[in-house]
Amino acid sequence: RKEVEQDPGPFNVPEGATVAFNCTYSNSASQSFFWYRQDCRKEPKLLMSVYSSGNEDGRFTAQLNRASQYISLLIRDSKLSDSATYLCVVNDGNNRLAFGKGNQVVVIP
Amino acid sequence: GAGVSQSPRYKVAKRGQDVALRCDPISGHVSLFWYQQALGQGPEFLTYFQNEAQLDKSGLPSDRFFAERPEGSVSTLKIQRTQQEDSAVYLCASSPLVEQYFGPGTRLTVT
Repeated sequence: RKEVEQDPGPFNVPEGATVAFNCTYSNSASQSFFWYRQDCRKEPKLLMSVYSSGNEDGRFTAQLNRASQYISLLIRDSKLSDSATYLCVVNDGNNRLAFGKGNQVVVIP
Repeated sequence: GAGVSQSPRYKVAKRGQDVALRCDPISGHVSLFWYQQALGQGPEFLTYFQNEAQLDKSGLPSDRFFAERPEGSVSTLKIQRTQQEDSAVYLCASSPLVEQYFGPGTRLTVT
């Protein structure tokens, strides 16, 4: 079983709509959680860290549920420029990042 | 400011050749990581340095893979006797503490 599981999609989202997706992680000792954005043939870029209390950055909201070991990302008022792959990332407590396969989001005009 | 840089950006190697991939981390970042990303997959951890010390190399797929960071700054990932299954993007990341920042990667194609 992979350490971080994500449904790769694609998620086809009308412009202006809200999209949400989750990932689950298997290592209960994991300490830090992140969402990274990766554009085609580019490197992953840090989108936001995820805290137990939940956090928001503009149109993006991230939630962490430690009891159920899942992390979510919600994007409101989707823009064409939001089209990318969103990678769920977990720090296993030994400084190694474990990545999911990513959720591919395509925002449609 | 300057981010993580990697060179070369693209490398084509014949099967059996040795390759060396370079990473220049963000200045002052203590930790440096190497990841391998196959097409359609998320990056997979290879190895981790804190300053010049290689603290974890558990992700290196075989003894053909070797990484070093002799002065605690620039790092080199070397692959000996490349095989076709080594074709991937090799990403380097550096970190001041927790969050990791990635370079553009080296796309290695083994023919």
